[in-house]
Amino acid sequence: DQQVKQNSPSLSVQEGRISILNCDYTNSMFDYFLWYKKYPAEGPTFLISISSIKDKNEDGRFTVFLNKSAKHLSLHIVPSQPGDSAVYFCAASGVGTDKLIFGTGTRLQVFP
Amino acid sequence: NAGVTQTPKFQVLKTGQSMTLQCAQDMNHEYMSWYRQDPGMGLRLIHYSVGAGITDQGEVPNGYNVSRSTTEDFPLRLLSAAPSQTSVYFCASSPSGSSGELFFGEGSRLTVL
Repeated sequence: DQQVKQNSPSLSVQEGRISILNCDYTNSMFDYFLWYKKYPAEGPTFLISISSIKDKNEDGRFTVFLNKSAKHLSLHIVPSQPGDSAVYFCAASGVGTDKLIFGTGTRLQVFP
Repeated sequence: NAGVTQTPKFQVLKTGQSMTLQCAQDMNHEYMSWYRQDPGMGLRLIHYSVGAGITDQGEVPNGYNVSRSTTEDFPLRLLSAAPSQTSVYFCASSPSGSSGELFFGEGSRLTVL
């Protein structure tokens, strides 16, 4: 039973445009959500996070939105750059735990 | 700047063989975990530890053992390898209470024939 789902395995976006990556979760006990970025042959690296008490968090070109009632979060990248091409994983953790559950990932390709 | 170090980076095993994937971190992190990455499955949690002497099962623990005798090390043991354990394995660590902001190693690619 997949608790964190990314229904789009891939996304292709033109450089300079907005990239929107989506993630859904089923466990209402999750209270902290994160996005990780992964390049080939490297480990994932932390990108941005959001607490369940917020609905938006912004860091430079990256913004994460959380809709608790819909159990949905999204990552917006504006403007997209070729260096953003990678696999993006969303992840979630529950109250008082560092245990992190990941989604299946979305491969983003940003083309010139 | 070592961070999280995994060894070996590549390994080929025959079915039934045993091996240990090593993981060491030099950041004095309390929390450590092991994930496997498979196509279409994302990253799945195998085992995790919240401190020395404490381990617990994740989403896919069967076929794997772990121990945590020191803060720095968190080895993952395959007692009798199976082809279904062919995967890329990632070790990660974080300070306690970081709510999942993990530092990952570079991964270990394991093939079981």
